[in-house]
Amino acid sequence: DTGVSQDPRHKITKRGQNVTFRCDPISEHNRLYWYRQTLGQGPEFLTYFQNEAQLEKSRLLSDRFSAERPKGSFSTLEIQRTEQGDSAMYLCASSLAVTVWDTITYEQYFGPGTRLTVT
Amino acid sequence: QQQVKQSPQSLIVQKGGISIINCAYENTAFDYFPWYQQFPGKGPALLIAIRPDVSEKKEGRFTISFNKSAKQFSLHIMDSQPGDSATYFCAASISGKLIFGQGTELSVKP
Repeated sequence: DTGVSQDPRHKITKRGQNVTFRCDPISEHNRLYWYRQTLGQGPEFLTYFQNEAQLEKSRLLSDRFSAERPKGSFSTLEIQRTEQGDSAMYLCASSLAVTVWDTITYEQYFGPGTRLTVT
Repeated sequence: QQQVKQSPQSLIVQKGGISIINCAYENTAFDYFPWYQQFPGKGPALLIAIRPDVSEKKEGRFTISFNKSAKQFSLHIMDSQPGDSATYFCAASISGKLIFGQGTELSVKP
């Protein structure tokens, strides 16, 4: 069963350092999403791609954050000059369009997440 | 208007009982309403989902009830089991992205 995978699973870094996370979606899924989840909260949308195009970015995604999906397959999320407030679980999800009658929905499947701790 | 409000924050149910979690939304543009189950240290797992033109959907012990006019939907877990103990999130989709509720921590006592 090849679900969504994320690497690394845990990352501890010092404030000011840059970090990069990788997400490998389910192979036939053309949409890929990034979310951030802090303790005791629901995931918050950051950005998403359809194939290699980044279609939307949340206001939560400051200039220090950048995401890419160069060939429409895996994606990377980079955080530059990390701050303690960046400590969170970073979740990746992928989806495929499901058409029921004339309505398209996107069932999103999440990876295990990358836990970032900024000290 | 983009918020999804979820209640209760925590819930304790006896084994075999019914667990009920409620969510409310404002934005009528939401077009898909999934529920996710999350265990500590894991990513959310899709449990069941409903579209707004359907009033109820049942999959095994899990049922979503949807009230479009009230802009509310709920998850019912029948015959709750200790293995159901987890955090449950409702969500609403707009343009494919998900807006999540705050979560409900469910504990099922043996």
